Amino acid sequence: DVKVTQSSRYLVKRTGEKVFLECVQDMDHENMFWYRQDPGLGLRLIYFSYDVKMKEKGDIPEGYSVSREKKERFSLILESASTNQTSMYLCASSFLERKKETQYFGPGTRLLVL
Amino acid sequence: EDQVTQSPEALRLQEGESSSLNCSYTVSGLRGLFWYRQDPGKGPEFLFTLYSAGEEKEKERLKATLTKKESFLHITAPKPEDSATYLCAVRILSGGSNYKLTFGKGTLLTVNP
Repeated sequence: DVKVTQSSRYLVKRTGEKVFLECVQDMDHENMFWYRQDPGLGLRLIYFSYDVKMKEKGDIPEGYSVSREKKERFSLILESASTNQTSMYLCASSFLERKKETQYFGPGTRLLVL
Repeated sequence: EDQVTQSPEALRLQEGESSSLNCSYTVSGLRGLFWYRQDPGKGPEFLFTLYSAGEEKEKERLKATLTKKESFLHITAPKPEDSATYLCAVRILSGGSNYKLTFGKGTLLTVNP
């Protein structure tokens, strides 16, 4: 079974703090993704990575950065947290096989920025 | 602009009352349509992938179908444990040779006993 884990289920931070969200997958997947999910807006892609040390902006990258130093780990960084970054953050991983790809999600981190 | 629209936004069924959820899309270069189930406070759980118009996939009480413009998730004789939000996503080219998923906003299904 694919296992994607996220470092925290719930997190409370103050405005201006630097926040690290960690994601680890154990299936040797090349691709990893960070999304945020908000009521009425659905899942939106923040960043993704298709290889170690590679990253590509998604649809809403502003205010975020990412790091992929090892294949199994993908970190999302909020350099200076703001209240509008309060959200559910979801990590996913996938691999490509014969042009087919399926993303598997972690349990999510619910972040509250005060 | 690529669009994925799910309907209805919410659906309430009685146990055993079959129905369908719709996912319509306007994208260029579709490379797969995905259905996920999401329980409150949890990450989405993969259900199906469909790649070609006419393709069908089944799992227990769920059956997914695909046409060139939309996909349906048919739920036959649902049970209360089928209550969840069902998400549809399409896989499209994201510049270069990489792909991304674009999600609909989901259908919240409630099955009453």
